[in-house]
Amino acid sequence: AQSVAQPEDQVNVAEGNPLTVKCTYSVSGNPYLFWYVQYPNRGLQFLLKYITGDNLVKGSYGFEAEFNKSQTSFHLKKPSALVSDSALYFCAVRDMNNNAGNMLTFGGGTRLMVKP
Amino acid sequence: KAGVTQTPRYLIKTRGQQVTLSCSPISGHRSVSWYQQTPGQGLQFLFEYFSETQRNKGNFPGRFSGRQFSNSRSEMNVSTLELGDSALYLCASSSGGNTDTQYFGPGTRLTVL
Repeated sequence: AQSVAQPEDQVNVAEGNPLTVKCTYSVSGNPYLFWYVQYPNRGLQFLLKYITGDNLVKGSYGFEAEFNKSQTSFHLKKPSALVSDSALYFCAVRDMNNNAGNMLTFGGGTRLMVKP
Repeated sequence: KAGVTQTPRYLIKTRGQQVTLSCSPISGHRSVSWYQQTPGQGLQFLFEYFSETQRNKGNFPGRFSGRQFSNSRSEMNVSTLELGDSALYLCASSSGGNTDTQYFGPGTRLTVL
């Protein structure tokens, strides 16, 4: 079975400061990892994904994430937070060795609050 | 390209009724997945359809069903609605490969009274 943990329900950061949203995962095989963002009354918006290759993945809106296989983590980062980054962030995993089609398993979500 | 569209956006039903939600994927995408989002359970996978066949199913009762048409549009149906079925139902489409990104629609907000 695959699972994702986002240990922080909320992250508070001042505008202009770096931000990190944490994610750890568990899969039986090798993982495909994704980050999505959700704004109020909206669906999920894709930010970035890790499939293979470089451990540092760059995505939309200046976000990046670092894959760490030994720590089974895929933390989301941004060097300088904006107030408009305030939203709900979800980490998701798919086990590439699992014949589960496109099923994604999501973490519980982390609310990011960026204060001016 | 137009994004994933879902209709209706909002729906209010009473217990015992049934409901059908619709999803139109991004043009060219053959895989449609459905997810339920609730404050208590978070985001949970319902099922995935690829080329009109159900490819995978989550851990939901048989009251939840779906189908996919030849044009890749998908519908999900919930019969005998319960209060706990109140949720945001999200549809996602992709090309179907296991490295592909799923793109989500805006969701249908279902309220069961």
